[in-house]
Amino acid sequence: DTGVSQDPRHKITKRGQNVTFRCDPISEHNRLYWYRQTLGQGPEFLTYFQNEAQLEKSRLLSDRFSAERPKGSFSTLEIQRTEQGDSAMYLCASLQGSDGAIEQYFGPGTRLTVT
Amino acid sequence: GENVEQHPSTLSVQEGDSAVIKCTYSDSASNYFPWYKQELGKGPQLIIDIRSNVGEKKDQRIAVTLNKTAKHFSLHITETQPEDSAVYFCAAIPPPSTDKLIFGTGTRLQVFP
Repeated sequence: DTGVSQDPRHKITKRGQNVTFRCDPISEHNRLYWYRQTLGQGPEFLTYFQNEAQLEKSRLLSDRFSAERPKGSFSTLEIQRTEQGDSAMYLCASLQGSDGAIEQYFGPGTRLTVT
Repeated sequence: GENVEQHPSTLSVQEGDSAVIKCTYSDSASNYFPWYKQELGKGPQLIIDIRSNVGEKKDQRIAVTLNKTAKHFSLHITETQPEDSAVYFCAAIPPPSTDKLIFGTGTRLQVFP
């Protein structure tokens, strides 16, 4: 257990519905990352936050995706009007962000299935 | 942009043997190379990493080597055990980003008792 938690662990939804995932990073970590992992592939970067500021977004993050980290602690990732292609594992990672630390620690992920 | 290739995609070894997984990267300015282990139903777990100013790093049975000239790095696991069975991913961080990990496609390692 890395100390990064994600909720829910599994989500099954019907196409067109909205879903929201939550990530709680390690408490002293000020950077938080979202990645997406499809079956048989490595994780792909989606976006990241430094405290509450969203600093980079991947082209993978379409307009249907939005991420927030309102108080610089937990983060949410919302997908609107889900499509079958959104089915994947959504991973959250955190990083201390000070003293030159660059190691990212991942949570267990939320597996999304869109039917 | 950065591209990380990983080989082999699957690797089967007998318990006690060594396992080697290799990765190549395209951006010569990349300077951080972690390795993650992912067990079924879990998130990736950082097992070892190396920065570009170091050629080799060891931690008990695992080691990573980096050849910046050839732009490749390798994971070495010695005295493999059944609990080493998992999917292993290499990654790199290409500048100017200091955060965005670019992952390889993974290697499924099976260690047979």
